[in-house]
Amino acid sequence: GENVEQHPSTLSVQEGDSAVIKCTYSDSASNYFPWYKQELGKRPQLIIDIRSNVGEKKDQRIAVTLNKTAKHFSLHITETQPEDSAVYFCAAPWKAAGNKLTFGGGTRVLVKP
Amino acid sequence: NAGVTQTPKFQVLKTGQSMTLQCAQDMNHEYMSWYRQDPGMGLRLIHYSVGAGITDQGEVPNGYNVSRSTTEDFPLRLLSAAPSQTSVYFCASNTLGPLTSPLHFGNGTRLTVT
Repeated sequence: GENVEQHPSTLSVQEGDSAVIKCTYSDSASNYFPWYKQELGKRPQLIIDIRSNVGEKKDQRIAVTLNKTAKHFSLHITETQPEDSAVYFCAAPWKAAGNKLTFGGGTRVLVKP
Repeated sequence: NAGVTQTPKFQVLKTGQSMTLQCAQDMNHEYMSWYRQDPGMGLRLIHYSVGAGITDQGEVPNGYNVSRSTTEDFPLRLLSAAPSQTSVYFCASNTLGPLTSPLHFGNGTRLTVT
């Protein structure tokens, strides 16, 4: 969607290293930012989300940070494992499009053992 | 619970043919939506519904129709298939709309139009 840009499009990391994916959005009214993980041939599944009243949220090895001033949010995966290999999508609501949830283009993460 | 069920899993159509992609959910979710997934373009919203009898257009509605006669079912109709509609289609549902709770996706339908 035009509201959300996601970088990088591909990311290769060594097992045990950290991975960071960044998304920027254009609608300053956006207030909800989910991240979805999609394994090869599977459906997307929510892994973490953050609302605009907090700056950071953690769940074990994954965390999301939000900078509302700069209009970007990031997914951080620490101590990466081979099972983290997947495509990750960020999303944000876009009021100009009727408050619909729009997705970034995705980041393909490959964790090398 | 089965969650969100999509049928068929795979479909090949010839240009100009019509078909209906089926989607059903058993979680009593008010909100249902259809996305298409193309390489490098993420998930793009086609149509969505906030309840039975109510539907609205998403980002890429052209060439598709939907209806919502029951809470459970939200079929997507391709009126006259075109090669540009070759894609993977996901149906999703959630309660209270996509901005307040996670989307539950079906397993997808891989459509090829020749």
